[in-house]
Amino acid sequence: GIQVEQSPPDLILQEGANSTLRCNFSDSVNNLQWFHQNPWGQLINLFYIPSGTKQNGRLSATTVATERYSLLYISSSQTTDSGVYFCAVLYNFNKFYFGSGTKLNVKP
Amino acid sequence: DGGITQSPKYLFRKEGQNVTLSCEQNLNHDAMYWYRQDPGQGLRLIYYSQIVNDFQKGDIAEGYSVSREKKESFPLTVTSAQKNPTAFYLCASSSVSGRAGELFFGEGSRLTVL
Repeated sequence: GIQVEQSPPDLILQEGANSTLRCNFSDSVNNLQWFHQNPWGQLINLFYIPSGTKQNGRLSATTVATERYSLLYISSSQTTDSGVYFCAVLYNFNKFYFGSGTKLNVKP
Repeated sequence: DGGITQSPKYLFRKEGQNVTLSCEQNLNHDAMYWYRQDPGQGLRLIYYSQIVNDFQKGDIAEGYSVSREKKESFPLTVTSAQKNPTAFYLCASSSVSGRAGELFFGEGSRLTVL
């Protein structure tokens, strides 16, 4: 299979701060997605980003496929950004592999 | 609205009972997946199906069974053979072609064994 590693595992921020979450993967992948799991457990699609850079409001993501990593940037964090962020990769057009997640706590 | 519907959202079961979790999608996706999540942990793949009448075991299939008789439906049965079934179960689907592999999730089902 493929290894997907996320860092840091835990992150505590003050409201208004910026942060960068990282996802490393051990082999070439077909695509990569970032998800936010809210406190109720629902997984929300943030970005579908096999390569390049995308932005959506205060969030942006960059995937450098040749170097096998992706970054998720959160600017001006808000308490509603709290939760767990997962990256997932599609490998061999077959199965999705998830990282273990970054748990973010934004304090007011 | 297009999406994935899981039911029930909460389920309690006694030890020794089988229980079936429903997953229905109207996104016209070919592939469907079941994941299990334990508290504070990541997602682990139970079963997946890329086409009707065919499915494959994931990493933790023991004690679970599935069927894929219709494209839009992928029910998961948690059998009495599953030793620790209390968990959060998530169903997902994706297209096989085009914007291949973008994964969408249902809201999940929380199973508690009493």
